[in-house]
Amino acid sequence: QKEVEQNSGPLSVPEGAIASLNCTYSDRGSQSFFWYRQYSGKSPELIMFIYSNGDKEDGRFTAQLNKASQYVSLLIRDSQPSDSATYLCAVNPIISNFGNEKLTFGTGTRLTIIP
Amino acid sequence: DGGITQSPKYLFRKEGQNVTLSCEQNLNHDAMYWYRQDPGQGLRLIYYSQIVNDFQKGDIAEGYSVSREKKESFPLTVTSAQKNPTAFYLCASSYHTDRAPRGENIQYFGAGTRLSVL
Repeated sequence: QKEVEQNSGPLSVPEGAIASLNCTYSDRGSQSFFWYRQYSGKSPELIMFIYSNGDKEDGRFTAQLNKASQYVSLLIRDSQPSDSATYLCAVNPIISNFGNEKLTFGTGTRLTIIP
Repeated sequence: DGGITQSPKYLFRKEGQNVTLSCEQNLNHDAMYWYRQDPGQGLRLIYYSQIVNDFQKGDIAEGYSVSREKKESFPLTVTSAQKNPTAFYLCASSYHTDRAPRGENIQYFGAGTRLSVL
């Protein structure tokens, strides 16, 4: 079983609509969750991170976390063509006494915004 | 201008050759990481280092080696033992959770090195 799963897509959304990207994870003790955006041929850039159950909003982006269901999502409101990219979900497992832990990445969802 | 610098941007390896990818950061981050990304795939961890002179194997360390002699630098050597090295290699860095504002492990990435085999 994959530790972090995402629908690979492609997900096509009309310009101006809401894009919804989903991610599930297997480690129930996971502490923090990240969404990265990766344009074709480029490196990932951080969009949002979330720790607590519920919603976290930043501009047009909203991250939603449900630890009971082991589910994290990213909503993009008023989608723009510039949002067309692959979105990677990353999960930080249980934090040990030593400190930093490895992030586990999903395979990413390719999002295309249709003008 | 703070950030993570990877070089070269493109690299070609001949069969049987070792090549070294450079990663330098001036963010004063404690931890550094190397990932490999194949087309249409997610990121797979090769090696990571949380402090100078110490590093740990990730999920796909075979055929790779690293060193961490300075906090700012974490070079990756792709050895001849790595039989399928063609991929996009990404270096990342982060604060140690003890120094991060909320104990988070936010990783920031360099621009990447694209390695191909001649």
